[in-house]
Amino acid sequence: ELKVEQNPLFLSMQEGKNYTIYCNYSTTSDRLYWYRQDPGKSLESLFVLLSNGAVKQEGRLMASLDTKARLSTLHITAAVHDLSATYFCAVDFNIHSNYQLIWGAGTKLIIKP
Amino acid sequence: DSGVTQTPKHLITATGQRVTLRCSPRSGDLSVYWYQQSLDQGLQFLIQYYNGEERAKGNILERFSAQQFPDLHSELNLSSLELGDSALYFCASSVGAGVKETQYFGPGTRLLVL
Repeated sequence: ELKVEQNPLFLSMQEGKNYTIYCNYSTTSDRLYWYRQDPGKSLESLFVLLSNGAVKQEGRLMASLDTKARLSTLHITAAVHDLSATYFCAVDFNIHSNYQLIWGAGTKLIIKP
Repeated sequence: DSGVTQTPKHLITATGQRVTLRCSPRSGDLSVYWYQQSLDQGLQFLIQYYNGEERAKGNILERFSAQQFPDLHSELNLSSLELGDSALYFCASSVGAGVKETQYFGPGTRLLVL
């Protein structure tokens, strides 16, 4: 079964702290995406990771991909309130000769001042 | 603003009815994807069209259908609506067929079935 699991599903943290969100997936893929969703809003692309060892950074967020471990991490450095949102990872799987994204359940991140 | 537009923003209807959701992709994008987001099921891929042709099918119910028109806009038709169909429906688009591409999401249509 194709599964994408995120943990934690909920994270409340203080401003200024560091934390990591994990995304595990069940079957081989070398394409993984991170998105952000603010409450009641649409999804915004954050990172596209397309190979083993890929690392991307934007501001206080850094994402990495280990295809051998089937694991991606989203690391938050010195969190600020504006990063409060739900973060989704999605993995591109080949299903019946077509590719489609399977999504994690999302990690709801609340950053308190 | 992603450049993907969806109408309507909100839709309230009754069980058994049929509705049509509309999506216009970003200029130049050939693929359109439909997703359903609900509290219990999370984000579910429904269907993808690429340049007018169905490309991939996900967890789309038989009561639901979609199409992509020559001008590349797409419509998602939901019929015989049930209470459980209440959800946020997103459309996304990408430049090509979708492999190794970012999908850009529209603002969504919030459907409430009463």
